[in-house]
Amino acid sequence: AQSVTQLGSHVSVSEGALVLLRCNYSSSVPPYLFWYVQYPNQGLQLLLKYTSAATLVKGINGFEAEFKKSETSFHLTKPSAHMSDAAEYFCAVSPTDAGNNRKLIWGLGTSLAVNP
Amino acid sequence: GAVVSQHPSRVICKSGTSVKIECRSLDFQATTMFWYRQFPKQSLMLMATSNEGSKATYEQGVEKDKFLINHASLTLSTLTVTSAHPEDSSFYICSARDGGSGQPQHFGDGTRLSIL
Repeated sequence: AQSVTQLGSHVSVSEGALVLLRCNYSSSVPPYLFWYVQYPNQGLQLLLKYTSAATLVKGINGFEAEFKKSETSFHLTKPSAHMSDAAEYFCAVSPTDAGNNRKLIWGLGTSLAVNP
Repeated sequence: GAVVSQHPSRVICKSGTSVKIECRSLDFQATTMFWYRQFPKQSLMLMATSNEGSKATYEQGVEKDKFLINHASLTLSTLTVTSAHPEDSSFYICSARDGGSGQPQHFGDGTRLSIL
């Protein structure tokens, strides 16, 4: 069965520092990959997605992620953290070898804190 | 684009009441809609998947008679929590997708349900 692992349930960085949130997946076939952000008491917002095009994907709010098949990873990065980046981040995968109703498999989330 | 509207944002009601939550895709046609439940500080738990005009597919352990889902049009799905009890209190989030599993899900802002 496919799974998603987000290493580090809590990450704390200083404002202006590099943000790195880790996501690894288990799948025999490269899946579709997504990163979402959730602010308190809100729904989720799509940051970026990988769907077998360029391996380096640029998203909104200055975030980007790189798909590395050899490492089965899709880590999320941002060069310089802003206070407004403090939120919960979820990595999710969707198998490519299934029907259209295939559901997303979610990571447990990483809470990002940005310190002034 | 890809806006999903979810109403109400918050409901407080007495035990035994039935509560209906609406999820609308405002600027696209949602071939598939999803309903999630999220407990504090946790990831999303998929409750059911629905396609327009079809019966919803419920995840294991989710009572379909308790959580009634209707997806009558390509832009509207509703979740009705029947005879709600305090243990049903939670954050419910809907999402909508136009197309197959390679397309992202777009989320509503969630509904905070509190049963007294």
